[in-house]
Amino acid sequence: KAGVTQTPRYLIKTRGQQVTLSCSPISGHRSVSWYQQTPGQGLQFLFEYFSETQRNKGNFPGRFSGRQFSNSRSEMNVSTLELGDSALYLCASSLGRGHQETQYFGPGTRLLVL
Amino acid sequence: AQSVAQPEDQVNVAEGNPLTVKCTYSVSGNPYLFWYVQYPNRGLQFLLKYITGDNLVKGSYGFEAEFNKSQTSFHLKKPSALVSDSALYFCAVRDGNRGSTLGRLYFGRGTQLTVWP
Repeated sequence: KAGVTQTPRYLIKTRGQQVTLSCSPISGHRSVSWYQQTPGQGLQFLFEYFSETQRNKGNFPGRFSGRQFSNSRSEMNVSTLELGDSALYLCASSLGRGHQETQYFGPGTRLLVL
Repeated sequence: AQSVAQPEDQVNVAEGNPLTVKCTYSVSGNPYLFWYVQYPNRGLQFLLKYITGDNLVKGSYGFEAEFNKSQTSFHLKKPSALVSDSALYFCAVRDGNRGSTLGRLYFGRGTQLTVWP
């Protein structure tokens, strides 16, 4: 099976712009979770989507949003970018049916905000 | 509240020696515990997990982890380290009794493992 894919792999934006990141889960997986990784804060949970519905949300401002499509692909959007949004954004997929499931991560999108 | 602590930012070992990367956790319900590894400019790769049963869990690349409920620990171990094991290791937990956390993992800050030749 193909793994989790994320596009683009690298992005450079300027403050105030918006950005959309894409994640394609492993075939058959219906849950997609997003995480932000920074040297200062570590890995922080953004949100999780399951069957096109947001099921769980972390403590991020409303500038961070996401959605999931009927084929389980997911996008996250960050509006009005700030310098502090520079990070590696990771998505992870799982079947989404139980606590014992493993989340499988994509390679990440590295966002640099100038 | 759910949380994970990795008390060592860095662990240095010589190739061929055993390695241990420490992890302690806090959950109110049943803990489901995971170890991931991250190589530079890469995503997280799953190594192993503890769900229930035998306290010693075996995973990928010769790694294993020992679950200790009384000490709320889940230390990662390998009998003989390789230079190629050098990477950033993350411990994560999910509370099995909380439905709202179904899609969420709580991660530690990570431990940088360096294995020198």
